[in-house]
Parts: sequence; C-alpha cells; structure tokens
Amino acid sequence: AQKITQTQPGMFVQEKEAVTLDCTYDTSDPSYGLFWYKQPSSGEMIFLIYQGSYDQQNATEGRYSLNFQKARKSANLVISASQLGDSAMYFCAMRELNTGGFKTIFGAGTRLFVKA
Amino acid sequence: EAGVVQSPRYKIIEKKQPVAFWCNPISGHNTLYWYLQNLGQGPELLIRYENEEAVDDSQLPKDRFSAERLKGVDSTLKIQPAELGDSAVYLCASSLRRGADTQYFGPGTRLTVL
Repeated sequence: AQKITQTQPGMFVQEKEAVTLDCTYDTSDPSYGLFWYKQPSSGEMIFLIYQGSYDQQNATEGRYSLNFQKARKSANLVISASQLGDSAMYFCAMRELNTGGFKTIFGAGTRLFVKA
Repeated sequence: EAGVVQSPRYKIIEKKQPVAFWCNPISGHNTLYWYLQNLGQGPELLIRYENEEAVDDSQLPKDRFSAERLKGVDSTLKIQPAELGDSAVYLCASSLRRGADTQYFGPGTRLTVL
C-alpha cells in the first residue's frame, strides 16, 4: 500500500536562508509521481513541483528543488532564499501509476515559519 | 486562465441539515476530484470523476454523501444530513487527464456543523 510520511510538524527558517522539508514514501509500484503543494492560510493548495519515478534528474522550479533519492524513497523539498511569503503548510503527495488507480495520497504536512 | 472555482467559501449549518458545495474545474480538464481535509491533516480523496463518470468513490460515505457531474464539467457535492464530524474543508481539484497530470486545487469550502 502506498504511504507518505512527513516527520516534521513544524520548521523555522531565517529569511533568505535555505530550508529542506522531509518526505519519505513507500510503494511497490515502479511507476509513480511525487508532488509538493503549498497551502497558505487562505486554504488553496498551490502546486509547486513534480518528480516522476523515472526522471533521471532532480526537478527544479525557480527557488524550489526536489531532492529525489529513489533508493531511500525520499523526496525532500528544498526552498532556497526563503521569503516571508513562504510561511505556509507544505504537503508531499504521491500517485501510483500502475497499481494505485491514479489515487493521490498526501502526507500530514509540515508547517514552515519564515522569520524576518 | 481561470483556476478552479468553488462556492461557497464558508458554510455554517446545524446538524441534520443538508448542504451542497459547487465546483467548476479549469476549462478542458476532464478529471475532477473532491477531497476532504480535516484540520491539521492532508487532503483525502472522496471521489474522482473522469468526464461525467465517477471512477473512484470508494472513500465517499454513501449513506449521507452524494456527488454528481452531469455534463462532465461542473460538479456538486452534497451532504444530507450533516453531522458534527463533517466539519472540515472540502477541496475540489481538476487535472487535464488522470495519471501523472498535476492536480490544480480550488480555494475550498470550509464547513462548520453546529
């Protein structure tokens, strides 16, 4: 069965510094996708970055990068040069493409606080 | 391009009352999802539509919840009767297709049942 684990309930980072949000997953499906979403206090889930299980390189989108370590089954999100507007909940998600019926499961989230 | 639209944004009702949520997905997106998000948790899928067909409703409590997507575009999620434990945020999302396609979420409806 697919599973997503985010072990950090809350994280603090100083403005302009980099921060890593942890995510580990469990699946027996060799074909899957990994997603990160940001949820500010307004409630909307904002898509940040995607990594496919067969992608050879780590995904990057602006200040966001995904540190994909397939053997360890980890997909950590790295935010560089943190900004005050980065303060939000961050969710890691996974979708199995062969066995999961395209169902996406989400982790419990990590709340990030950016300090001025 | 307009994003996923949901209404209402907030709803307060008394228990045993009915309630309905509406979602209009991004234009051209064939797949539509309804999620339930409890406080401090990640979203959990309630139902997924491919066009007008509900292809995954295994997590939908069918005794009180119902959903429809009659013309394969907008969708309505209904609860009747509502219970105290239904208080949560109900999120709608859409994607171009199923599979690896990214899901785009609406702002959600925050339901409070008194």
